Amino acid sequence: DAKTTQPNSMESNEEEPVHLPCNHSTISGTDYIHWYRQLPSQGPEYVIHGLTSNVNNRMASLAIAEDRKSSTLILHRATLRDAAVYYCILKDNQGGKLIFGQGTELSVKP
Amino acid sequence: EPEVTQTPSHQVTQMGQEVILRCVPISNHLYFYWYRQILGQKVEFLVSFYNNEISEKSEIFDDQFSVERPDGSNFTLKIRSTKLEDSAMYFCASSERALNTEAFFGQGTRLTVV
Repeated sequence: DAKTTQPNSMESNEEEPVHLPCNHSTISGTDYIHWYRQLPSQGPEYVIHGLTSNVNNRMASLAIAEDRKSSTLILHRATLRDAAVYYCILKDNQGGKLIFGQGTELSVKP
Repeated sequence: EPEVTQTPSHQVTQMGQEVILRCVPISNHLYFYWYRQILGQKVEFLVSFYNNEISEKSEIFDDQFSVERPDGSNFTLKIRSTKLEDSAMYFCASSERALNTEAFFGQGTRLTVV
């Protein structure tokens, strides 16, 4: 599975937008970009995924660079409940498994 | 909203004992997974299961581990002879299909081997 690089930690203020970056320079043409998050003491939770085009859902937006070598997860208005570890994962078409990295630990200040 | 359910939430077992962790995936899902997370470390893939057989497993998933879907609703992970290093959170997940879809995770079972 192709590797991703994320900052270890980020801070945000409540009710402000948060942009979580992910680099994946070795992405292949068939890799989907998935984002999951893990709140404290909980299992991972799906956030969003995409292939080439930007994606929006009720939780977040995913902006994918034109060359697909990087992507950004956007939380439009951070809440205290968004404090979690956010994982950017490349998922190939060979199976359903997810390979988690260390992720970005997001803290949200009131 | 449908959810993946895991029992027990916490299991304490003596080293060398067998343990079975149970999961009830979402009912129309066809793909099932086990992951583990040692305290303070990243989530690690163990095994995926489809059509009543293992479709993929990691190096961690050695002969002491087995999975089963005994009755069409439960999905179990058995560890035959537990070691201290098996202490971890074990997460079950399920998805409708393998590709281009989201996986739903349970809340996990904390296994403590003493």
